[in-house]
Amino acid sequence: AQSVSQHNHHVILSEAASLELGCNYSYGGTVNLFWYVQYPGQHLQLLLKYFSGDPLVKGIKGFEAEFIKSKFSFNLRKPSVQWSDTAEYFCAVADSSYKLIFGSGTRLLVRP
Amino acid sequence: EAQVTQNPRYLITVTGKKLTVTCSQNMNHEYMSWYRQDPGLGLRQIYYSMNVEVTDKGDVPEGYKVSRKEKRNFPLILESPSPNQTSLYFCASSKQGAHTGELFFGEGSRLTVL
Repeated sequence: AQSVSQHNHHVILSEAASLELGCNYSYGGTVNLFWYVQYPGQHLQLLLKYFSGDPLVKGIKGFEAEFIKSKFSFNLRKPSVQWSDTAEYFCAVADSSYKLIFGSGTRLLVRP
Repeated sequence: EAQVTQNPRYLITVTGKKLTVTCSQNMNHEYMSWYRQDPGLGLRQIYYSMNVEVTDKGDVPEGYKVSRKEKRNFPLILESPSPNQTSLYFCASSKQGAHTGELFFGEGSRLTVL
């Protein structure tokens, strides 16, 4: 069965630090890839998505992610985080079925 | 305003007492889905529906039922709730399917089963 791994469960950074959150998936075929964000007390929102084309995808709020097919990875990055980026981040992968599989999430705390 | 609305937002109930969590979307989306969110486990899909009268099991369907009689509504039914169904539940919808585009989520329903 397809699986999605987010290796960092908790990340603590100071403002202006750079961020990279890891995401690896197990499916070997064509996939669609997503990052969702959940701010405290809110519902999930889409940050960015990758279907095909340029493997470097830019999303909202300065986030970007790079798809590396050979590594089955889709890591999320931001050059300089802000306190308002404190949230939980979920990687999600969809294969040729109608299912979207979420990773277990990474809680990011940004200290002012 | 485009939105997915869930009710109730918070509920405490007792084992065995049937309950329904409603979900309604106003975006004319074909696809709707229910997820439960548990610490350390992320979101796991309970049921999904590609269209009216079409529903299918997700990864954790045991103890839940759904129906899709109208396009806009997708209620989640717990016939006989048990404590292991204590969780945060999210309803979501999408124009065509979770795999093709953005999922729009409701605000969540926090359920406690005593």
